[in-house]
Amino acid sequence: AQKVTQAQTEISVVEKEDVTLDCVYETRDTTYYLFWYKQPPSGELVFLIRRNSFDEQNEISGRYSWNFQKSTSSFNFTITASQVVDSAVYFCALRPNDYKLSFGAGTTVTVRA
Amino acid sequence: GAVVSQHPSRVICKSGTSVKIECRSLDFQATTMFWYRQFPKQSLMLMATSNEGSKATYEQGVEKDKFLINHASLTLSTLTVTSAHPEDSSFYICSASPVSSYNSPLHFGNGTRLTVT
Repeated sequence: AQKVTQAQTEISVVEKEDVTLDCVYETRDTTYYLFWYKQPPSGELVFLIRRNSFDEQNEISGRYSWNFQKSTSSFNFTITASQVVDSAVYFCALRPNDYKLSFGAGTTVTVRA
Repeated sequence: GAVVSQHPSRVICKSGTSVKIECRSLDFQATTMFWYRQFPKQSLMLMATSNEGSKATYEQGVEKDKFLINHASLTLSTLTVTSAHPEDSSFYICSASPVSSYNSPLHFGNGTRLTVT
């Protein structure tokens, strides 16, 4: 069975602070993909990044960065110098070989001006 | 980029009526689409996998007679909530990938907020 755990339910920060979102996953598949999605108050899901199980290279894209550690089954996401527009619910998701996407419970990020 | 269009964005219906939600891939073909349900402040739960030209595959606990899925073309899947009840009120969202490959990111529609009165 697949499982994605986002232990942080809510995070509140002041603008310009960094925010790190934790994600831990479980799967028996050796090949899988991990994703992060953002859901702003309007409801749509915005794709942020995907990582395959064989690519542990961390990545930085603008203010976003990701830390994938297969040894600890973690795929953490950091927003640097947060902005009010970053306020949203962030979902970590796992897609094993069966094509189905399993979501974590989500972490609500509130960035205060 | 890949665009998934979902319609309507909001719908209010009376208890006992049926509601149809459309999910279209605008600039790509999708042999497989997925339907999710999201309750307030909760995560997205996969309801079913919609397969073009064949029957949908439902997740455990999802009533197939309650949530009818039709995937008649490579760009359109529909979800019909039959005999809706207030407990069916939820946010329904569909997704699709440009190719049937699990390494493709799923692109999501904007969702449909259903309220049953």
